[in-house]
Amino acid sequence: SQQGEEDPQALSIQEGENATMNCSYKTSINNLQWYRQNSGRGLVHLILIRSNEREKHSGRLRVTLDTSKKSSSLLITASRAADTASYFCATDVVQGAQKLVFGQGTRLTINP
Amino acid sequence: DVKVTQSSRYLVKRTGEKVFLECVQDMDHENMFWYRQDPGLGLRLIYFSYDVKMKEKGDIPEGYSVSREKKERFSLILESASTNQTSMYLCASRPLTPPEGGFGQGTRLTVV
Repeated sequence: SQQGEEDPQALSIQEGENATMNCSYKTSINNLQWYRQNSGRGLVHLILIRSNEREKHSGRLRVTLDTSKKSSSLLITASRAADTASYFCATDVVQGAQKLVFGQGTRLTINP
Repeated sequence: DVKVTQSSRYLVKRTGEKVFLECVQDMDHENMFWYRQDPGLGLRLIYFSYDVKMKEKGDIPEGYSVSREKKERFSLILESASTNQTSMYLCASRPLTPPEGGFGQGTRLTVV
């Protein structure tokens, strides 16, 4: 079963603009994580936000979490061509036997 | 850093063949996972293991089995490969207390 729904499914912006991706989930979570995947490669962990946190920053990344709405957003500021990738949210559910449940992902394209 | 190694990046197998996908982690993690990734569907959990010789079904176990004889190694087995098992397969490992963990680079399996 899919826990996360990501929005939009695809996003295309110009280099230098900000990119925002959203993730909604269904059940209570311990934490939410964002991953990046370059074409045909494995997943790279970007950032984790715990259920008791509302916002977290890492470099050009900003993640917010709203547990009342069961949603999260990932903001990438001052985008670069190298940010072109697919981005996935994954949730550590409260009773999920320590398994990560993923959304379908957002395909981000940064145009030079 | 967590190192998760999948034995093959690309595999081409014939329908009906028995296929083994191997995954090894070097962090002494208790939990290991096999995911399947298809366009538009994100990552779906096939099987996971929380200890040697222990396994649990994920969301899409049909047509697959797993083996975990040693803590560091988790194998995914396609007993009789079919064309609808053509996909990207990703292995992951996590310790007993998440959220740390990592993913392998993925194996792109084509069944012809």
